[in-house]
Amino acid sequence: DQQVKQNSPSLSVQEGRISILNCDYTNSMFDYFLWYKKYPAEGPTFLISISSIKDKNEDGRFTVFLNKSAKHLSLHIVPSQPGDSAVYFCAASEKGGSEKLVFGKGTKLTVNP
Amino acid sequence: EPEVTQTPSHQVTQMGQEVILRCVPISNHLYFYWYRQILGQKVEFLVSFYNNEISEKSEIFDDQFSVERPDGSNFTLKIRSTKLEDSAMYFCASSEVGQRFSTDTQYFGPGTRLTVL
Repeated sequence: DQQVKQNSPSLSVQEGRISILNCDYTNSMFDYFLWYKKYPAEGPTFLISISSIKDKNEDGRFTVFLNKSAKHLSLHIVPSQPGDSAVYFCAASEKGGSEKLVFGKGTKLTVNP
Repeated sequence: EPEVTQTPSHQVTQMGQEVILRCVPISNHLYFYWYRQILGQKVEFLVSFYNNEISEKSEIFDDQFSVERPDGSNFTLKIRSTKLEDSAMYFCASSEVGQRFSTDTQYFGPGTRLTVL
C-alpha cells in the first residue's frame, strides 16, 4: 500500500541553497496534504500544509506546491540552513473519508555548512 | 506553546506481557490518535478517538489493542499480550476538530519506543 510515495530516501544540499523535497500520491480522494519534520528521538513536527483548492502555500522559508493533475507535491526550503537537517514526511488525508493521515516513508535532508 | 506529551519514552517488556502507553493531548483538542512506526517503515495509523469512542481504526488495531481516556487529560494505548512484532515507536497525536470533515492539523508527541523481548 503505497498511496503516498517519497521516492528519494535522502537529499544533501549546501547551506544557503534551495532544498526541494518531492512527494507523489495515488489516491485521487486525498485533498489535504501536510509536511512534517522529524528529528531523531522526537515526534513528527508539523511544518506546513496545503489544501487541494490551492496550488501553493508559503510560510517563511517554506513553500509547498501542489500539482493535482500530476498528483505531486513538493516542499521548497529557501535558503536551507544546517538546522533544517531532519527527516521530512509528506502526509495526506481524505476529507469526508477518514480520520487518518497517510504518510510517505520520508526523505532525510542533510544541509551541509 | 502547547504540546502533546507521552510517557514513558522507552518501554522494554517481555513477550506476552501487557503494556500501557500514556499520552497527554493538547488541552483544547477533541480528537486523539495513535500511530506507530516500525523501524525502517512508514508511520502507520492505528486508531482515532473522539467523544470517548473509537471513531476509526486500522486493520492493525486488533483485539490485542485498546484505547481509553481514563480521566480528563490522559489518553492511553494498551497492548494486552505483546508480540515481538509490536516493537516500534508509538506516537500519540491530537487535533482540534478531526480530519474527516475538515482540514485539521494533527500534532504529535515525542513517541514511546516499545521493545518487546
